[in-house]
Amino acid sequence: GAGVSQSPRYKVTKRGQDVALRCDPISGHVSLYWYRQALGQGPEFLTYFNYEAQQDKSGLPNDRFSAERPEGSISTLTIQRTEQRDSAMYRCASSLYSGEYNEQFFGPGTRLTVL
Amino acid sequence: RKEVEQDPGPFNVPEGATVAFNCTYSNSASQSFFWYRQDCRKEPKLLMSVYSSGNEDGRFTAQLNRASQYISLLIRDSKLSDSATYLCVVNWEGNFNKFYFGSGTKLNVKP
Repeated sequence: GAGVSQSPRYKVTKRGQDVALRCDPISGHVSLYWYRQALGQGPEFLTYFNYEAQQDKSGLPNDRFSAERPEGSISTLTIQRTEQRDSAMYRCASSLYSGEYNEQFFGPGTRLTVL
Repeated sequence: RKEVEQDPGPFNVPEGATVAFNCTYSNSASQSFFWYRQDCRKEPKLLMSVYSSGNEDGRFTAQLNRASQYISLLIRDSKLSDSATYLCVVNWEGNFNKFYFGSGTKLNVKP
């Protein structure tokens, strides 16, 4: 079946512009996660949704970052007034349920470059 | 101090070798533990969960030591296809949907 998809795969933007990154989770997966991954590092938690409810946004770096999942399926991570330090790989993951040992399935990521 | 620490490596081993990685975590209230594998420029994929009793899956064995706050991954009879970065992942009691990833340990298996 189809895995997690993300779009765009690559995004180059100028400093100060807003960007919207999209995640399409595996159909039927309840939980959705956003991560940021710098080169040579592991994914860093940003936020988490259970259905449409944003349960934890403690990892969002500042108020320029926001995320939504209005219908409990597709999610959008928005970065306003981008800065060069926002350049990274942004990864989305989904899991079938929310639980102690839930397996996360990751998408291919969106590589964001802020010039 | 990072929540999860790993030796970045690389570990360079010949085919057929046995190799082990450790990962330490800072929070004694950590609840669930995992090893993920990430190939170069690809997304992470679950290799195995790590239970209190330890678990084995073919050539891979994972152990948890709560007293010393570390988990380990042992790979026996290494294959070329095992070359990847291995990420240690933990979550904490009371918030098991917030996962902390280590920076990963790189393994190179040589012919």
